[in-house]
Amino acid sequence: DVKVTQSSRYLVKRTGEKVFLECVQDMDHENMFWYRQDPGLGLRLIYFSYDVKMKEKGDIPEGYSVSREKKERFSLILESASTNQTSMYLCASSPNQGSNQPQHFGDGTRLSIL
Amino acid sequence: AQSVTQPDIHITVSEGASLELRCNYSYGATPYLFWYVQSPGQGLQLLLKYFSGDTLVQGIKGFEAEFKRSQSSFNLRKPSVHWSDAAEYFCALKGTSGSRLTFGEGTQLTVNP
Repeated sequence: DVKVTQSSRYLVKRTGEKVFLECVQDMDHENMFWYRQDPGLGLRLIYFSYDVKMKEKGDIPEGYSVSREKKERFSLILESASTNQTSMYLCASSPNQGSNQPQHFGDGTRLSIL
Repeated sequence: AQSVTQPDIHITVSEGASLELRCNYSYGATPYLFWYVQSPGQGLQLLLKYFSGDTLVQGIKGFEAEFKRSQSSFNLRKPSVHWSDAAEYFCALKGTSGSRLTFGEGTQLTVNP
């Protein structure tokens, strides 16, 4: 079974802090994704990566950056956290671009910015 | 552009009753389609997927879904709902190129005893 592990289930940070959310997958997947999920807005794609050191903006990249130095790890960075970034963050991975295989999700990190 | 619509934001059923969750999509060809379930505070778990071939697909936990090209629909069904099925359900579409998923807004399912 594919395992996508997010480093924290719950995280509380302060406004202005630099925040790192970590995600690791164990299936050698090429693609990795970061979403945020908010009530009434569904899942929105922040960034994704289809290879090491490669990244693509999703629909709501503002205020975020990402890092993919190793294939199995994809980090989401909040450069200067703000209260409107309080949300549930979900990481996912999937095999090659164009593949018909589904994305596999981690359990999520509930982030609160005070 | 591709899109997914789940017309029902919230559905309530009684335990043991049948269930159908609706999903409509817009895409220029036959897409890859998925249903995911999310229990409170958890990530998304894949229930089933459709790529091609048989239009009725079976998934985990007793769920099935039927792809209807003429109606651009991929509705999820279960003959008899259990209290543990209470969760949020997401329909998602993936185009035949690229790797992004387009999600519907989700349907929250409540199961009454």
